[in-house]
Amino acid sequence: AQTVTQSQPEMSVQEAETVTLSCTYDTSESNYYLFWYKQPPSRQMILVIRQEAYKQQNATENRFSVNFQKAAKSFSLKISDSQLGDTAMYFCAFAGNNDMRFGAGTRLTVKP
Amino acid sequence: DAGVTQSPTHLIKTRGQQVTLRCSPKSGHDTVSWYQQALGQGPQFIFQYYEEEERQRGNFPDRFSGHQFPNYSSELNVNALLLGDSALYLCASSLEVRLAGAYNEQFFGPGTRLTVL
Repeated sequence: AQTVTQSQPEMSVQEAETVTLSCTYDTSESNYYLFWYKQPPSRQMILVIRQEAYKQQNATENRFSVNFQKAAKSFSLKISDSQLGDTAMYFCAFAGNNDMRFGAGTRLTVKP
Repeated sequence: DAGVTQSPTHLIKTRGQQVTLRCSPKSGHDTVSWYQQALGQGPQFIFQYYEEEERQRGNFPDRFSGHQFPNYSSELNVNALLLGDSALYLCASSLEVRLAGAYNEQFFGPGTRLTVL
C-alpha cells in the first residue's frame, strides 16, 4: 500500500525567506502523481503544485518549486520569498492506480 | 463558476444516528471523491463515484455509503454514527480522464464539519 510521510509537524519561517517542507512516500507503482496541497485556516484545500513521476524535470509554480527524487521517493516543497498568506497546513499527496493518499500535514507559520 | 460546494457547513448528531452530506461538483466535472479528515490529520479517502457508480473505495466500513446523481452531484451517508466519525468531510471533484496513466486535478470543497456527541 502507498504511504505518505511528512516528518515535520510544524515549521515557521520569516517573511521573505525560503522554507522547505519534506515528504517521502512508498509505492511499488511506476506511474503516479505527487501533489502539494495548501489548506488555509478557512480550510478549503487548494492545489499548490503537481509532479508527474515520469517527468524528470522538477515542477515550478511561481514561488513554489519541488525537489523530486524518484529513486529516493522524496518530494519536497520549497517556498521562496515567503508571504504571510502562505501560513497554512501543507499536505503532500500521492495518486496512483487507486486512491489518493495524503500525509499528515505540516503546519507552516510565516512570521512578519 | 461556483466551484465545489458542500452542505451543510456544520452538523451535530448523536451516536447511533444517521447523517447525509451533500456535494455539488465544479461545473464540467463528472467524478466525485469523498474524504474524511480527522482533527490534526490528513484527509483519508472514503470512495469515489463516476457515472453514478462507486468506482473505488478506501478502508471504510459499510456504514459509509454514497450516491451520485445524473447531474453528477453526490451524497455521503453514514449510518450508526460513532464518536470517532467526528471529522471534516471533504468532497473533491475532477474530470474523468479516459487516457490511461493520466490524472486530473481534484478540486476540493470547503467541507462539512460533523460532530458526533
